[in-house]
Amino acid sequence: SAVISQKPSRDICQRGTSLTIQCQVDSQVTMMFWYRQQPGQSLTLIATANQGSEATYESGFVIDKFPISRPNLTFSTLTVSNMSPEDSSIYLCSVGEGGSYNEQFFGPGTRLTVL
Amino acid sequence: AQRVTQPEKLLSVFKGAPVELKCNYSYSGSPELFWYVQYSRQRLQLLLRHISRESIKGFTADLNKGETSFHLKKPFAQEEDSAMYYCALKKTSYDKVIFGPGTSLSVIP
Repeated sequence: SAVISQKPSRDICQRGTSLTIQCQVDSQVTMMFWYRQQPGQSLTLIATANQGSEATYESGFVIDKFPISRPNLTFSTLTVSNMSPEDSSIYLCSVGEGGSYNEQFFGPGTRLTVL
Repeated sequence: AQRVTQPEKLLSVFKGAPVELKCNYSYSGSPELFWYVQYSRQRLQLLLRHISRESIKGFTADLNKGETSFHLKKPFAQEEDSAMYYCALKKTSYDKVIFGPGTSLSVIP
């Protein structure tokens, strides 16, 4: 299994500012994912970040708003740029290996409130 | 597009009663299906996957391809089963995981 930590665990930010969320894994993983979980909603995939390549964004998410870095096999960052109150969510980092029925592991999440 | 639906947002059952959390999916191929659970103040974790056909914490789930369903069942609910349950789907082994909206299960003592 993989143990994932995220920083910060929570933050309160002002409209128009940016926040970078860090995700650290205790082992090398190929596939890392960033999810958003808005209040009372399910998880929505923002992007897939594989080391050595550009992140792949899902429909409705763009790199200018959510730039992602993946400098090595154990670390990734997600930046939420030019924030608005609609960005208030829990942001989750997840890792998984390809292959049949492999489990995805999740970080504890970063609870973001934008005022 | 692939989609996972869980018709019940909230489900309350009494301790000792049977519980069934419904999940339906839309995908024409043969997907990989999972149930994830999130207990209060804990992170999301895998409960079971359909391929393994195992019982985890007394829960089982059977894939019904005809009805495109993957309902989660337990014959006797326990208080510690109270949690948020997400049904999830992967089209292929290397594809992204698509989550359903989740069902909040509350087991009444």
